Amino acid sequence: QSVLTQPASVSGSPGQSITISCTGTGSDVGAYNSVSWYQQHPGKAPELMIYDVTNRPSSVSGRFSGSKSGNTASLAISGLQADDEAEYYCSSSTNINTVVFGGGTKLTVL
Amino acid sequence: QVQLVQSGAEVKKPVGASVTLSCKTSGYVFTNYRIAWVRQARGQGLEWMGWISPDDRTTKYVGSLQDRVSMTTDTSARTAYMELRSLTSDDTARYYCAREWGLYYFDSWGQGSLVTVSS
Repeated sequence: QSVLTQPASVSGSPGQSITISCTGTGSDVGAYNSVSWYQQHPGKAPELMIYDVTNRPSSVSGRFSGSKSGNTASLAISGLQADDEAEYYCSSSTNINTVVFGGGTKLTVL
Repeated sequence: QVQLVQSGAEVKKPVGASVTLSCKTSGYVFTNYRIAWVRQARGQGLEWMGWISPDDRTTKYVGSLQDRVSMTTDTSARTAYMELRSLTSDDTARYYCAREWGLYYFDSWGQGSLVTVSS
């Protein structure tokens, strides 16, 4: 059982926008700006997409953005492309200096 | 470029067995960044296992594995190691090492080492 709650699946058509939520508690997501998001294609290692809630590595497309309100963080993807189809995981630091992940969200591009 | 190359697949029998995985790094100053270990059972999500700081060898482990896991480093070889003891079938998973770029996020990952625990 994952500590952070994500929807099991989301879907969208090419060109559309989607949002994936990540709900934690006041001991993790709500307490720190240390939320990250990872994309994982089948058989591959995860790839960092967003860190510290809103920051994007230089190699990641500007179509990806992050935000947070209270105990819930969100990943938004605009202009959906076929290659965006993957599993997405959120993570957060905790009040005991550990890291917890969400259960993952399968994004399907219709 | 930053690279993390992990050791190969392992097959272990349960009942007291242990496994040690390695993660050889290159392309950056090894002692400047923590190394984390994350595992993923087949078809399941990611589980953070802990991290080690190569400069002072301090560690932090997830509570559920605290008694069975040890993380070490060999600075001269730029390599991190993770030992997991008393293996059960629940430990069957792909194990990743990852560089902790800032605090609590991981920008570079190894290819993963598959560990199968089966009688």
